Amino acid sequence: GQNIDQPTEMTATEGAIVQINCTYQTSGFNGLFWYQQHAGEAPTFLSYNVLDGLEEKGRFSSFLSRSKGYSYLLLKELQMKDSASYLCAVRSRSNAGNMLTFGGGTRLMVKP
Amino acid sequence: DAGITQSPRYKITETGRQVTLMCHQTWSHSYMFWYRQDLGHGLRLIYYSAAADITDKGEVPDGYVVSRSKTENFPLTLESATRSQTSVYFCASLLAGEEQFFGPGTRLTVL
Repeated sequence: GQNIDQPTEMTATEGAIVQINCTYQTSGFNGLFWYQQHAGEAPTFLSYNVLDGLEEKGRFSSFLSRSKGYSYLLLKELQMKDSASYLCAVRSRSNAGNMLTFGGGTRLMVKP
Repeated sequence: DAGITQSPRYKITETGRQVTLMCHQTWSHSYMFWYRQDLGHGLRLIYYSAAADITDKGEVPDGYVVSRSKTENFPLTLESATRSQTSVYFCASLLAGEEQFFGPGTRLTVL
């Protein structure tokens, strides 16, 4: 089976940097995804890592270490609109059909 | 309408009734998925489909039925609704190897 862990809640200040961690255990790892979900809305895709290292997209970056089963999402220059849940999801070759297994999500609150 | 849509957006029903949630996508994506999202559990996969007429169970399929006679539609049916099926249901689709795109969700309450 798969196990994905991420913190339940985090709080940060507007303008600051926050790092949201995700650890996973899976066989046949085939990619890690981060999604953003605002309250009452659908998840939207943020980033994808399949190789070790850092992927940067504007204010958001995502890092992967396959040997450690570890990823993080880094949000810089936090804005109030970044208050949302951030979902870590793993794709595995042992899953048929591009299935994703999601962690429970991290609710980020950005304060002024 | 381009993208992925779900209907109804909100539904209240009673225990024992049959309910069908609709999902429609305009991208001709091969894969489609149904998730439910509950506090404390995150997103859990109910059923998925790799193509028309091909469906398979996910993590929590009990009490649900799906069909996929056309590529663009993937309805989810609760044959006899129970209170434990009160949840937010998301449909998603993707091209193989790409990220999943989610519909806006259906909030279902079973009384």
